[in-house]
Amino acid sequence: DIQMTQSPSSVSASVGDRVTITCRASQDISNWLGWYQQKPGRAPKLLIYAASSLQSGVPSRFSGSGSGTEFTLTISSLQPEDFATYFCQQATSFPHTFGGGTKVEIK
Amino acid sequence: EVQLLESGGGLVQPGGSLRLSCAASGFTFSSYAMNWVRQAPGKGLEWVSGISTTGAMIHYADSVKGRFTISRDNSKSTLYLQMNSLRADDTAIYYCAKKRLQYNWNGEFDDWGQGTLVTVSS
Repeated sequence: DIQMTQSPSSVSASVGDRVTITCRASQDISNWLGWYQQKPGRAPKLLIYAASSLQSGVPSRFSGSGSGTEFTLTISSLQPEDFATYFCQQATSFPHTFGGGTKVEIK
Repeated sequence: EVQLLESGGGLVQPGGSLRLSCAASGFTFSSYAMNWVRQAPGKGLEWVSGISTTGAMIHYADSVKGRFTISRDNSKSTLYLQMNSLRADDTAIYYCAKKRLQYNWNGEFDDWGQGTLVTVSS
């Protein structure tokens, strides 16, 4: 199985800050990587697909990069509605493993 | 608008069974692989099972293999998860999720249901 290691597990940041979350795959997954945002009591929401493509309706302050085994999600200027938990997921090999999650909290 | 509506969750005793359903609308259900993902209270996301468009290909997480069965009825646009021999560690919110790409086994999940809570306890 492909292991997805996400870091950090939590980050405290202020509105307007730039936030970067990293995800590492235990083997090459090309660009089959998605990033999801989840707010308490809600289902996950796809933000980024194919490692760097912005899902329709997602603000442009979200961006993704990387390929192979190293991936990054960046929020360029954190907004109040962005405080949530973020997960990465590899989407090429079963089981479609998720990273452990990164909770973005208000500083 | 894509809608995925799960049902069938509830409280069940250890060793018991439940059948979850996910009613889909707003897209051509038979063109997309579908999946179940669960989330234990306060924990992360765990992929549970996936099924191809026709049901010919199926995968399970090791944690549920031999106990859970995924299926679909394309005529009813409905996804199912039959859960047998339930254990306390199966307690979670269960989400159905649609693959982003048509006729593709790879790819992210672009639409999710609201989830249904399964609680396994005596």
